[in-house]
Amino acid sequence: EVQLQESGPGLVKPSQSLSLTCSVTGYSVTSNYWGWIRKFPGNKMEWMGYISYSGSTAYNPSLKSRISITRDTSKNQFFLQLNSGTTEDTATYSCARLDNSGYYFDYWGQGVMVTVSS
Amino acid sequence: DIQMTQSPASLSASLGETVSIECLASEDIYSNLAWYQQRPGKSPQLLIYYATTLQDGVPSRFSGSESGTQYSLEINSLQPEDEGDYFCQQSYKFPLTFGSGTKLEIK
Repeated sequence: EVQLQESGPGLVKPSQSLSLTCSVTGYSVTSNYWGWIRKFPGNKMEWMGYISYSGSTAYNPSLKSRISITRDTSKNQFFLQLNSGTTEDTATYSCARLDNSGYYFDYWGQGVMVTVSS
Repeated sequence: DIQMTQSPASLSASLGETVSIECLASEDIYSNLAWYQQRPGKSPQLLIYYATTLQDGVPSRFSGSESGTQYSLEINSLQPEDEGDYFCQQSYKFPLTFGSGTKLEIK
């Protein structure tokens, strides 16, 4: 069974980087596409970006200058780094697998709440 | 970006009833729409993709339909486990975008 689990600090200071890890079990990150999605207070959701089976990436243009998604295939993990955090980055961050045949998410992690505050 | 306007924001229905949730796309997305369910405290679950295709393991009381740029999720014979949040997502064009969600309460 494919399982994803997010981990990382729950509190980040403004101007600092937000760094999260998604650990995947039951499937290799060298197959499919793997994405990050966040849900803001008030429930608006935003697709942040993905890393592909080959390591290529695509990002939401709204974040393009601040975001980086990388991976460690030996640990079967992928990572999110969001630089220059502001209070507007306070959200629940989720990782998910994109299906091979279409850009929809067939497996999700539980999500981790990150607060950006001094 | 493609805007997904989802309605209603919340609804309350009784066991056994049928409910419908709508998503209106700001442009043609050619059936590239997915529906998700998120039960309280759980991760989202894919229900339907390509507007009408039921994901493996999802009960047949869930169904999707489309009319132009309007997409609908129908849930028949509501069960207690159907309580939760539902949201749509267009998978036609990047950036991928989501509806604002619908909170379903079972009375």
